Amino acid sequence: GQQLNQSPQSMFIQEGEDVSMNCTSSSIFNTWLWYKQDPGEGPVLLIALYKAGELTSNGRLTAQFGITRKDSFLNISASIPSDVGIYFCAGTNDYKLSFGAGTTVTVRA
Amino acid sequence: GAVVSQHPSWVICKSGTSVKIECRSLDFQATTMFWYRQFPKQSLMLMATSNEGSKATYEQGVEKDKFLINHASLTLSTLTVTSAHPEDSSFYICSATGTESYNEQFFGPGTRLTVL
Repeated sequence: GQQLNQSPQSMFIQEGEDVSMNCTSSSIFNTWLWYKQDPGEGPVLLIALYKAGELTSNGRLTAQFGITRKDSFLNISASIPSDVGIYFCAGTNDYKLSFGAGTTVTVRA
Repeated sequence: GAVVSQHPSWVICKSGTSVKIECRSLDFQATTMFWYRQFPKQSLMLMATSNEGSKATYEQGVEKDKFLINHASLTLSTLTVTSAHPEDSSFYICSATGTESYNEQFFGPGTRLTVL
């Protein structure tokens, strides 16, 4: 699948801060997914978005499906040390996922 | 729910040998399974897609005779790296999607392959 534009590439944040990352695409997607991958592990699904404009929360995580269907963002509120990892966005119209390059999050205690 | 396992979690083998990696959906029936490869600090690269009972569909540039995929049941897919060479060393991850998963893919924990 095509590569999505995910930013930022990496970020260092203070514990307790809010984090925001986003993905953009030149193509429209019907579904946006956000995954988190810890070192040496497979990605874990955090949030799935199915409808343009949809805003969905999962605990301290909030993600939105852009109105144009070409973008999505993920917010993490009140970050904690276990939020460390690589976050990937993914878009799909059928069964194939197109992934972003990932955002590496490092939390300073 | 939606748990996918992989075995082994890591394997070291000699150059020229073949290695089989298993991917299982533990609590759902996986109509489609996917195999990815991931290099350090990079995103996931789709290698192939397999549906139960059908031949796998390989992505461009992936050698089907090198990476044999079998999806014999709705809960098991295997990837065999044949005649492995050091350049095949990588992190291999499978994912699965079921009939009620819409477009969501659930990933296994990955297998670290090191070819000496």
